Amino acid sequence: GEDVEQSLFLSVREGDSSVINCTYTDSSSTYLYWYKQEPGAGLQLLTYIFSNMDMKQDQRLTVLLNKKDKHLSLRIADTQTGDSAIYFCVTSGGSYIPTFGRGTSLIVHP
Amino acid sequence: DAGVTQSPTHLIKTRGQQVTLRCSPKSGHDTVSWYQQALGQGPQFIFQYYEEEERQRGNFPDRFSGHQFPNYSSELNVNALLLGDSALYLCASSLRGQLEAFFGQGTRLTVV
Repeated sequence: GEDVEQSLFLSVREGDSSVINCTYTDSSSTYLYWYKQEPGAGLQLLTYIFSNMDMKQDQRLTVLLNKKDKHLSLRIADTQTGDSAIYFCVTSGGSYIPTFGRGTSLIVHP
Repeated sequence: DAGVTQSPTHLIKTRGQQVTLRCSPKSGHDTVSWYQQALGQGPQFIFQYYEEEERQRGNFPDRFSGHQFPNYSSELNVNALLLGDSALYLCASSLRGQLEAFFGQGTRLTVV
């Protein structure tokens, strides 16, 4: 079945950029998403990208998609302590069933 | 708008028992999906309901079943509970055809 891989942890200093990477196996994914999970809060959709796009920018967030390498990344500019959370890469393959990665825990140091 | 609400927030059950979890979708949403999130893992899709019928199903055994009511609320039932069923169960609602799903805060199920 579909597999989505992410590194488990990322530690950055406040004000720096964060880059969270994801690789996936199902090349039929039409949409690819990034979700954020904070303690005590539900999962929140951050952004998504269509499979026919290479890049999407939304304020401090930049999503890059390399379909050839099946690689998705999320860049957060000027990372703040409030960005500390778990970030999930999510793909939707041919069956449109969403597949979540294990999540990357982003820790932002003051 | 209360968003997606799930009940109960926490639950402890004994192996072999049955459990029912409940979800009220965000106002205006007609589609409900259920996920299981084990500790340290990403959510795994269980199934999705629309128009009171199961439309999509992930790789879960028949012990997991669900229901959607005419008011779009939904229940997740798990029979013959196993220790491995211990997890956070998440409900997500959306409007059919829309990309964004809104998640509830989940029900933490512990099987002892």
